[in-house]
Formats: sequence, C-alpha cells, structure tokens
Amino acid sequence: AQSVSQHNHHVILSEAASLELGCNYSYGGTVNLFWYVQYPGQHLQLLLKYFSGDPLVKGIKGFEAEFIKSKFSFNLRKPSVQWSDTAEYFCAVMDTGRRALTFGSGTRLQVQP
Amino acid sequence: NAGVTQTPKFQVLKTGQSMTLQCAQDMNHNSMYWYRQDPGMGLRLIYYSASEGTTDKGEVPNGYNVSRLNKREFSLRLESAAPSQTSVYFCASSMTGSTGELFFGEGSRLTVL
Repeated sequence: AQSVSQHNHHVILSEAASLELGCNYSYGGTVNLFWYVQYPGQHLQLLLKYFSGDPLVKGIKGFEAEFIKSKFSFNLRKPSVQWSDTAEYFCAVMDTGRRALTFGSGTRLQVQP
Repeated sequence: NAGVTQTPKFQVLKTGQSMTLQCAQDMNHNSMYWYRQDPGMGLRLIYYSASEGTTDKGEVPNGYNVSRLNKREFSLRLESAAPSQTSVYFCASSMTGSTGELFFGEGSRLTVL
C-alpha cells in the first residue's frame, strides 16, 4: 500500500514569506497526487491535483505544486503567504487498489500578520 | 446544494455504547468514504463504498461497520465504542473512485469516555 510523508508538522511564517511544504510518497508506479486544505473549523477541500502532463500544477489561491518523479515528491509552494492561508495542509496519493486516497499526517501552517 | 451532510456533529459516548454516524450526499456521486482524523496521523480510511451495494475495508476497519443504504447514504456504526475511537470522523464522496477528487462533510467529533 502507498504511504505519504509530510516532513513539516508545524510551520510558522510571517505574511509575505514564501512557503514550501514537503510531501513524499512511496509508490513507484503511476500516481495521482493531491493537496487538500482544511481551514480552521471547516472541512477539507481540494487545493490542487496532478494526474499527468506538466509536472508543475497550479491550484486555487495562488498555490502550486511540483511533481518530481525521480524524488517521489510533490511539494506545495506559494510565493507569498497571507494570514488567510492559516490552515492544515494534507498531501494525498490515490491508492489505485482501493480507489481511495491515502493521506499524509498533515502540516499545520500558521501565518502571522 | 448541501453537498455532503453528516450527523451528528458532536457526540459523547460511554465505553461499550453503540451509535451510528449518518452521511448523505446530494451530488449523485457513486463512491463514498469514511475517514477518521487524529492529531499527527492525518486521515485514515475506515471503510469505503465504490458504488451502491458494495463496501470494502480501509486501513483501520476494526470496531466499525458500514451500510451503503442507497446511492445517497453511507452510515458508519460503532457497535461497542472504545476510548481509542475518540476522533473526528469525516464522510466524503466522489463521482468515481478513480479521480481522487473527494468532497468532504464537515466532520463529526466523537468522544468516548
């Protein structure tokens, strides 16, 4: 079964700082990769996804992620964070056997004004 | 459009009591899922239903049962609650299991004393 590792558990940034959250997955075959976001008190929602094609994918609210197959990585980036980006971010990989998502442990981002 | 609706939102149980978490989606999705979210562990798949009439175990099915009542509804039952089942439970749905784009409910916070 696939596994997903998120290296940063808690990240604190000031507004306008750049963000990069790490994500590595274990599966070596074809993968579908996702980032989900959970704002305080809300449910998870899709931020962006990668199925195939351009390894640099753009999502909502200025987020982007780069798929690097050789490194089994799918890191999330944003050039300039805002206070409203305070949330928990989850990387996920499609488990093609179960046809369900396997999630990482999450990274809590706190942006200070 | 309500999306995915879960009830109840909060519940406190004593060890050994039983309860059912209800989930309904109004998006005509085929696949439905139950995840639990625990601090530092991300979301873990309990059970899923790829289509009406089918259910399958996920990563952490022990102590739970599910029923896919119809295409809209997918319930999760705890027959004899244990403190280890204290968690936040999320129901999700997707058009098909292969896309990975899940739509989540707002979560149900369960405490077992």
